Amino acid sequence: GQNIDQPTEMTATEGAIVQINCTYQTSGFNGLFWYQQHAGEAPTFLSYNVLDGLEEKGRFSSFLSRSKGYSYLLLKELQMKDSASYLCAVRDNTGGFKTIFGAGTRLFVKA
Amino acid sequence: DSGVTQTPKHLITATGQRVTLRCSPRSGDLSVYWYQQSLDQGLQFLIQYYNGEERAKGNILERFSAQQFPDLHSELNLSSLELGDSALYFCASSVSGDRDRGLGGANVLTFGAGSRLTVL
Repeated sequence: GQNIDQPTEMTATEGAIVQINCTYQTSGFNGLFWYQQHAGEAPTFLSYNVLDGLEEKGRFSSFLSRSKGYSYLLLKELQMKDSASYLCAVRDNTGGFKTIFGAGTRLFVKA
Repeated sequence: DSGVTQTPKHLITATGQRVTLRCSPRSGDLSVYWYQQSLDQGLQFLIQYYNGEERAKGNILERFSAQQFPDLHSELNLSSLELGDSALYFCASSVSGDRDRGLGGANVLTFGAGSRLTVL
């Protein structure tokens, strides 16, 4: 089966940097995704990692270590609009390709 | 607008009833996925279709069923509804079931706005 763990909530200050961690266990790893979801809205794609290392995209970066089953999402220069849930998702190819989501980390950005 | 259309946006019904949720994927996408998101919970994968065929199944209840039609739109049928079925139901689409040409092998999901189901 699959298991994805991430902190439930985090709080950070506007302009700061925050790192959201994700650990996962899966038998058929085929890529890791981060999505952003504002309350009551649809998730939107942020980043994708399939090989070890860091992927940078503007204020957002995502890191993956496949041997450790670990990823993090780094958000720099935090803005109030970054207050949202951040969903770690793993693509698993066991019994057909499917994307399994963690419960999400709710980030509160304060002034 | 993500390009994935879900109807209805809101639905209120009673226990024991049956409802159908509809999803039109983004133009060019062949795969459709259904997810359930209960209050303060993560996205639970229900089922995936690719070009009309079931491709992968999650923890979908036997009271729920889905299909994808030749025009690629999909419907999720929920029957014998219970209070616990109240949730946001998201549909997502992607180019293929396995690989997305746009991101070097990724399979990025594009989500619709969701259908909020309330069972009273």
